[in-house]
Amino acid sequence: DQQVKQNSPSLSVQEGRISILNCDYTNSMFDYFLWYKKYPAEGPTFLISISSIKDKNEDGRFTVFLNKSAKHLSLHIVPSQPGDSAVYFCAASPSGGYNKLIFGAGTRLAVHP
Amino acid sequence: DTAVSQTPKYLVTQMGNDKSIKCEQNLGHDTMYWYKQDSKKFLKIMFSYNNKELIINETVPNRFSPKSPDKAHLNLHINSLELGDSAVYFCASSQGGGFFYGYTFGSGTRLTVV
Repeated sequence: DQQVKQNSPSLSVQEGRISILNCDYTNSMFDYFLWYKKYPAEGPTFLISISSIKDKNEDGRFTVFLNKSAKHLSLHIVPSQPGDSAVYFCAASPSGGYNKLIFGAGTRLAVHP
Repeated sequence: DTAVSQTPKYLVTQMGNDKSIKCEQNLGHDTMYWYKQDSKKFLKIMFSYNNKELIINETVPNRFSPKSPDKAHLNLHINSLELGDSAVYFCASSQGGGFFYGYTFGSGTRLTVV
């Protein structure tokens, strides 16, 4: 039962352009959403998060948008750089207590010159 | 100075053996986790400890036993290893639920059972 879905396994973008990574979720109890970036042979690293009371959060070149009614979030990277090439995981959790993060399957982003 | 360190990084062993993976964090976090990344690349939680107390125990075979001697350490012991246990195991830590700043992950332990 996949509660967090990343339907695009891969994405290829030219350097300098915008990268848009998408994520859908099914559990209406999710209140926190996070994006992680993962390089080969390394653990995932936290990128940016958003809570359900907001619809947008920015951090430098990274912006996450949340559409609660559509149960959809997206990560925008502008401008994309070759160093952004990695696997990006979307994760979600209900609020309160010590609930677990539930991850999507990841999207592999390739930024080429 | 590594924030969350796991040892070993690679582990190749035969079916039926018992093995352990160690994890240590120096971030002062109060919560630690074990996640498994399977062949389909999904990251699935196995266990979580808060201040040495087990708080999340997913549907994991009894052959997997976590142990937290203190809040900076969370080890994973696996008995009677099976082929299907082959995966990458990630340790992680957070302060509280990790909702705003996420978890800090270790670099993973690739377990191969032959």
